[in-house]
Formats: sequence, C-alpha cells, structure tokens
Amino acid sequence: DAGVTQSPTHLIKTRGQQVTLRCSPISGHKSVSWYQQVLGQGPQFIFQYYEKEERGRGNFPDRFSARQFPNYSSELNVNALLLGDSALYLCASSLGQGGSYTFGSGTRLTVV
Amino acid sequence: SQQGEEDPQALSIQEGENATMNCSYKTSINNLQWYRQNSGRGLVHLILIRSNEREKHSGRLRVTLDTSKKSSSLLITASRAADTASYFCATVLIQGAQKLVFGQGTRLTINP
Repeated sequence: DAGVTQSPTHLIKTRGQQVTLRCSPISGHKSVSWYQQVLGQGPQFIFQYYEKEERGRGNFPDRFSARQFPNYSSELNVNALLLGDSALYLCASSLGQGGSYTFGSGTRLTVV
Repeated sequence: SQQGEEDPQALSIQEGENATMNCSYKTSINNLQWYRQNSGRGLVHLILIRSNEREKHSGRLRVTLDTSKKSSSLLITASRAADTASYFCATVLIQGAQKLVFGQGTRLTINP
C-alpha cells in the first residue's frame, strides 16, 4: 500500500511567484491536513479538509489556500511568495478526525 | 502559537541507555501523540494516548500522561543508533478543529 505521497519533493521559487503543492492520501483516508515546518521548529497547522470540506484553518494569511478533490487528493496554493514562506510543507492523512495521522515526506520550498 | 513544550530541547546519550523526553501543554486535550522525524523529512507516528489513559506501551516505547499536570513523557528503552531523530509531542484539543498542535521537539542523539 502506498503511503502519503507529496509532489514535488523540492521547489525553488522567486519572491512574488505562486506555488502549488500536491498530496495524495493513503487509500481510504478521507481527511487531509497541511502543515508548515520552519527549520528548527515544530510543524504549524495550515488547513484540514475532511470529505472535501474545509474543517479547520490555522493562523496563516489569505495568500494560503487549499482544496480537496473527489478522490481525496489535495492541493495547497500559496500566492505572492515571501522569503518567510521558505519551509518544509507536510501533508498528513487520516481515516477520520482526531486520530493518528500518516505524514508524507514533505515538499521543501525555498523562496529566493 | 505552540501548545506544547518539550524538554529537553536536545539530549545525547550512549547506545543502550534509556532516553526520556517530556512534554507539557496548556489546554484540555482529546489525545496526545508522539512523532519521530528523521533529518527534517516526514513525521512517523509512534504512539497515541487518550485523555482517559495514563500509560501506554509499544515495543521499546512507554508513554505516560498526567492530565492534572498537563504533561506527558516518552521513554525509549535500550536506545539504538537508529533512534537518533527529533521527537515531537502533538496534542489534539477537545474544542475546535481536530488538528495536531506540535511542540518544538527534542533532538535525540544516540552515540555508539
């Protein structure tokens, strides 16, 4: 069984550009969450989607948006990139809400 | 903002010794989970303990939870070089989105 897959693994963007990160959950998992992890810190919650509906949003600006598709895969979009958006972006999936999560390997985003 | 705080921030021990990491949190929780992260990549779920549980075991791992003190500990017995990683506690709150709220993590180094 494939785990949570994220693409791309690495990405370099210029300030002001837009980026789309993709996540495919474990088969059968209906909940997908996104986290941002800055170097040396713990992951910070960005979004949670369950059954294609947004169920939670963290303290991030409106430049961050996400969606979940009918096959439960998800995209995270970040507009008008800032240097401070450089981080590891992690996707996690779970069967429901509040239980344990399976994380992908992340997308390392560098903004220059 | 971070809900939890891990202590110590870094721990270095000899192979074969036991490693203990502590986590404190601020608000009432549904459950508390421990994750391991190798080299800044994806997180691996280790163990979940619910708010009505006091202790759980999984292989060489033992987790305790004291809801009156809002604290948890992770004990790794008979440590191995492969246990070298960052360890994070994460809480799922009773109220609000069913998201993981992470601490800053403990960097564990096992010396051969």
